[in-house]
Amino acid sequence: KAGVTQTPRYLIKTRGQQVTLSCSPISGHRSVSWYQQTPGQGLQFLFEYFSETQRNKGNFPGRFSGRQFSNSRSEMNVSTLELGDSALYLCASSPDSWNTEAFFGQGTRLTVV
Amino acid sequence: GEDVEQSLFLSVREGDSSVINCTYTDSSSTYLYWYKQEPGAGLQLLTYIFSNMDMKQDQRLTVLLNKKDKHLSLRIADTQTGDSAIYFCAEFAPTGGGNKLTFGTGTQLKVEL
Repeated sequence: KAGVTQTPRYLIKTRGQQVTLSCSPISGHRSVSWYQQTPGQGLQFLFEYFSETQRNKGNFPGRFSGRQFSNSRSEMNVSTLELGDSALYLCASSPDSWNTEAFFGQGTRLTVV
Repeated sequence: GEDVEQSLFLSVREGDSSVINCTYTDSSSTYLYWYKQEPGAGLQLLTYIFSNMDMKQDQRLTVLLNKKDKHLSLRIADTQTGDSAIYFCAEFAPTGGGNKLTFGTGTQLKVEL
């Protein structure tokens, strides 16, 4: 059974650009959550999607957005990139509406220069 | 409110037991998790405990939960050099039906020969 797949693994972008990250959850899982990890702020919740609907959102500016497709794959988009957006972005996959088991992907390392 | 705290560092000798502690504030937490993160990698789910349990054992790992004091601990028996990593505790509390994990700051475990 394949795990959570995040692509790409590494990205370098310039300030002001926009970026799209992708997450394919474990087969059969319908909940996908996104987290940002930085040395200063630690792991912070971005948002969660379940059956193509955003159910929960963290305290991030509107530049951060996401969506989920009918096959449960999710994308996250960051527009007008800032240096402070440099981080490891992690995606978590859960079977259902309760987070009994949340499995994480390897993450996408985004560097903004 | 949600706040999860951990000590930042722990150093043990190979073969000894390690105990990593965590305190949380949200009394409505239903599940509490331990994740392991190795350098450059994502989060690996080690174990989790439901809030109505006091203890859970899984091979070398023992999780203790004191719900009254909102204290969670992870004991690793016979600690090996491969256990060197950052360990995160996380709590899940239902927030309008969505999935959201609140993470601690992480404890860096160093295993010395």
